[in-house]
Amino acid sequence: SQQGEEDPQALSIQEGENATMNCSYKTSINNLQWYRQNSGRGLVHLILIRSNEREKHSGRLRVTLDTSKKSSSLLITASRAADTASYFCATDRASPSGGSNYKLTFGKGTLLTVNP
Amino acid sequence: DGGITQSPKYLFRKEGQNVTLSCEQNLNHDAMYWYRQDPGQGLRLIYYSQIVNDFQKGDIAEGYSVSREKKESFPLTVTSAQKNPTAFYLCASTQRGAYNEQFFGPGTRLTVL
Repeated sequence: SQQGEEDPQALSIQEGENATMNCSYKTSINNLQWYRQNSGRGLVHLILIRSNEREKHSGRLRVTLDTSKKSSSLLITASRAADTASYFCATDRASPSGGSNYKLTFGKGTLLTVNP
Repeated sequence: DGGITQSPKYLFRKEGQNVTLSCEQNLNHDAMYWYRQDPGQGLRLIYYSQIVNDFQKGDIAEGYSVSREKKESFPLTVTSAQKNPTAFYLCASTQRGAYNEQFFGPGTRLTVL
């Protein structure tokens, strides 16, 4: 079952522009994570935001989380051609006891193309 | 070098054959996972294991089997009962803790001829 849904499905921008991807989910979460996947490769973890956090930064990445709307956004600033990849959000659903249930549920991803 | 490896990178199977995909990690992680990725469908969980000698079905376990005899290894067998096995298979592992950040292998692309 899909928990996260990314929007848009595809995004094409010019180098230097900012890229924003959104993720919506359905159930209570322990945390939300963003991953990147280059074509034909495994996923690489980018950033994690806990359910009690609202914003987090890592280099050119900025993630926000709105638990009331069950949504998150990933902003990549000053994009580069090397940022071309698919980006996935993944939710770590809260277990009945309130912690992690050690499973991630992935969305379908946003394909980002950065044109030089 | 710590990491997670998968082999083979490409695998071709005839209909009716069982095939086994290898996944090994030297990260000393407790939990391991198998995902299937089809175009436009993201990742779907097949099986996962939180400790040695224990594993649970994910969302699409039918036609697949796993074992977890060693902490480092979590092989996936795609059986002949899996009707549409052509896909990209990803293995991941995590150190069970508060955050469950997963580390992924490079994937195995399985094609049924």
